[in-house]
Amino acid sequence: NAGVTQTPKFRILKIGQSMTLQCTQDMNHNYMYWYRQDPGMGLKLIYYSVGAGITDKGEVPNGYNVSRSTTEDFPLRLELAAPSQTSVYFCASSYREVNEQFFGPGTRLTVL
Amino acid sequence: AQSVTQLDSHVSVSEGTPVLLRCNYSSSYSPSLFWYVQHPNKGLQLLLKYTSAATLVKGINGFEAEFKKSETSFHLTKPSAHMSDAAEYFCVVSDGNTGKLIFGQGTTLQVKP
Repeated sequence: NAGVTQTPKFRILKIGQSMTLQCTQDMNHNYMYWYRQDPGMGLKLIYYSVGAGITDKGEVPNGYNVSRSTTEDFPLRLELAAPSQTSVYFCASSYREVNEQFFGPGTRLTVL
Repeated sequence: AQSVTQLDSHVSVSEGTPVLLRCNYSSSYSPSLFWYVQHPNKGLQLLLKYTSAATLVKGINGFEAEFKKSETSFHLTKPSAHMSDAAEYFCVVSDGNTGKLIFGQGTTLQVKP
């Protein structure tokens, strides 16, 4: 199993550009999550999904959108990139709500 | 609402000496608690988890943590630090309904030769 994979690993965007961060898991997990990690901080939840077709906002959803059309994939969309979105983004998945989450390697995004 | 407080932002130990990383939690019900480790420029790896079974939880790489309900604490310990233990450590509590994780601010562990 590859676990949780994320692409790209690094990206530089100009202000106002858009992009999609890809996340795929091959563990047949129902629950998937997107976090951002700012320097010196813990992770903050952006969006999460409890199954295909079901998504909900986390702590910091503004400026982002998600979709969950399949169990495996959970892409995160930035529509109008802003410098405040410079961060490291982690995708995670879990089998059940009380199980541990498995994290991808992260995407380092810089908005200039 | 659940919350987590890591009491030390930075801990420095010498190689071979014990490690103690402190974590207090707040939860309105019996929580699920985790410790994750993040090595520089890497993703997060689960060290150990508590889910209402034994209060002393053993994890990977010789780490363990004790759940103390009376003190609302879940401190992480290791008897003897190794250079490879240098990393960022996060104490995490889980919202039992949604699985959402609430992260502490993190503790940077420095291990000196």
